[in-house]
Amino acid sequence: GAVVSQHPSRVICKSGTSVKIECRSLDFQATTMFWYRQFPKQSLMLMATSNEGSKATYEQGVEKDKFLINHASLTLSTLTVTSAHPEDSSFYICSALDSITSYEQYFGPGTRLTVT
Amino acid sequence: GQNIDQPTEMTATEGAIVQINCTYQTSGFNGLFWYQQHAGEAPTFLSYNVLDGLEEKGRFSSFLSRSKGYSYLLLKELQMKDSASYLCAVFLTILTGGGNKLTFGTGTQLKVEL
Repeated sequence: GAVVSQHPSRVICKSGTSVKIECRSLDFQATTMFWYRQFPKQSLMLMATSNEGSKATYEQGVEKDKFLINHASLTLSTLTVTSAHPEDSSFYICSALDSITSYEQYFGPGTRLTVT
Repeated sequence: GQNIDQPTEMTATEGAIVQINCTYQTSGFNGLFWYQQHAGEAPTFLSYNVLDGLEEKGRFSSFLSRSKGYSYLLLKELQMKDSASYLCAVFLTILTGGGNKLTFGTGTQLKVEL
């Protein structure tokens, strides 16, 4: 089946620094990728929809200047958490939408971010 | 707005059958997914329903009624490894601007006991 990778799988950073998370579709093209955040014992919350070659669409309440998304190619989207704070500590998961079927989403393994 | 509800927790016995319900009120409905998620891992795909009726896949079945805004996931012959969170997610067509997105329900934590 289709594979989506995320890097890094875990990251610890200091408050005030920025962290970049990469999401790659390894064997298919994805014009659309999604970024989710999940706090402990809660469901996935959609943060933004990343479209290749255009600006990301952010969900209500998500600061676009804090969570920078770049989808520069059909296989790579990046999420940069800028000026991270302890409350940004969470599990960040990306998914990639198969361009051919337009409904199958493949999830990455997630990135555990801890801000100290 | 979009509203997707599931029970928060359920407990069942190994070997038994359990049904996890999901109700939704959304606009732009384009299908419903069920995912399984173990703690600290990404969700894994279980089923996809776009038409009314029952989809069966081994020990897992999923049912959809679009007119009632209702779905359920049925797990048979429960095993200890089925202890996980089960997420109902509605695939929505974005009415303004186009495209599609997946909106998740609250998730149901299933505990399978001996």
